[in-house]
Amino acid sequence: DIQMTQSPSSLSASVGDRVTITCRASHNITNYLSWYQQKPGKAPRLLIYGASSLQSGVPSRFRGSGSGTDFTLTISSLQPEDFATYYCQQSFSYSTARTFGQGTKVEIK
Amino acid sequence: EVQLVQSGAEVKKPGESLKISCKGSGYTFTTYWIGWVRQVPGKGLEWMGIIYPGDSHTRYSPSLQGQVTISADKSTNTAYLQWSGLKASDTAMYYCARQGLRDAFDYWGQGTLVTVSS
Repeated sequence: DIQMTQSPSSLSASVGDRVTITCRASHNITNYLSWYQQKPGKAPRLLIYGASSLQSGVPSRFRGSGSGTDFTLTISSLQPEDFATYYCQQSFSYSTARTFGQGTKVEIK
Repeated sequence: EVQLVQSGAEVKKPGESLKISCKGSGYTFTTYWIGWVRQVPGKGLEWMGIIYPGDSHTRYSPSLQGQVTISADKSTNTAYLQWSGLKASDTAMYYCARQGLRDAFDYWGQGTLVTVSS
């Protein structure tokens, strides 16, 4: 399987802060990388697909970048509703699992 | 409006069988892959497998191959995840999701909580 490693595993930030989460793939996944947001008790929500394309309805403060093995999710100005856990996922694999990162929990400072 | 509606929570004993469902609406069900994702309480997301309802072509995570079966009924726009012999370690929330652009999961069901306990 392709391993996906997110960092940090958790972070504390304040409203208005710029937040950056990184995701590293163990193999080249070109741009088959998605980012999801999950709040407690809710299903995940797609934020970014294709490494940098914003899903319809997602605020423009969310930005994805990267290709190959190194990817970044940036929230330009953290809002109260952004406190959640964020996951990356690779969808490059054909015959093995399309693995998720272990998650990054964004908490209120 | 695209919707995926999953069946309700289940409580089962070890060794029992179970089939949970995911009904799609608001789009052409047969032309999008549907995936299943597991989440053990308090833990991360695990990709289980996907199915193409148009021809029932299926791909599984190697770690789960043989432990679950993914199927679909295109006449009812419903995908299924089933077990023939549940274990306590199958206790988790199970989500179905539609695979869209760049194979990202763009729409998700609300989740089905499966509890396996003697």
